[in-house]
Amino acid sequence: DAGVIQSPRHEVTEMGQEVTLRCKPISGHNSLFWYRQTMMRGLELLIYFNNNVPIDDSGMPEDRFSAKMPNASFSTLKIQPSEPRDSAVYFCASSFVQGNEQFFGPGTRLTVL
Amino acid sequence: SQQGEEDPQALSIQEGENATMNCSYKTSINNLQWYRQNSGRGLVHLILIRSNEREKHSGRLRVTLDTSKKSSSLLITASRAADTASYFCATDAADNFNKFYFGSGTKLNVKP
Repeated sequence: DAGVIQSPRHEVTEMGQEVTLRCKPISGHNSLFWYRQTMMRGLELLIYFNNNVPIDDSGMPEDRFSAKMPNASFSTLKIQPSEPRDSAVYFCASSFVQGNEQFFGPGTRLTVL
Repeated sequence: SQQGEEDPQALSIQEGENATMNCSYKTSINNLQWYRQNSGRGLVHLILIRSNEREKHSGRLRVTLDTSKKSSSLLITASRAADTASYFCATDAADNFNKFYFGSGTKLNVKP
């Protein structure tokens, strides 16, 4: 298995632009998580899905952030408009059984100028 | 917040020595997990310990859990330079076992 796949790996954009991050979970996993990691705040859970349904989005910082999971093999995290404080590494993770180990993707390093 | 907190924040040891990292949390849990993150990479799951377990082993890793003190420790025995990484504990909440809170991590440096 290829593991969790994220794209792009690096994204540099200017303030105000729309940013879309993509994630392909491990086949057969039914939970998907989006995290953000910064030096100041550490690793924060933004949102998670079970069976493609958003369960908890309380970690999404603002309305500028939105996430979708149209099917079991694809999810997106969108930031519109982006701001410099959104600069971080965004991780996608998936798990097969609720509460068990999560498999992380390599992350997308986002820089908003 | 339920967020686990690791201690120490940084640890530097010589190859062959043992490394011990601690994690404290605030509310009741179902599971506690330890993850490793190499620089520039995603997190890798190391071990999961359930609230009714007190100790668990996996290779050179030994994890203990003391629910009365709301704390856990990760011991890496006979450390290697390749163990250099950041180590995170992740705790769930008793009422939501699918939502994990990660601590700020312990940065381990193993000198060859």
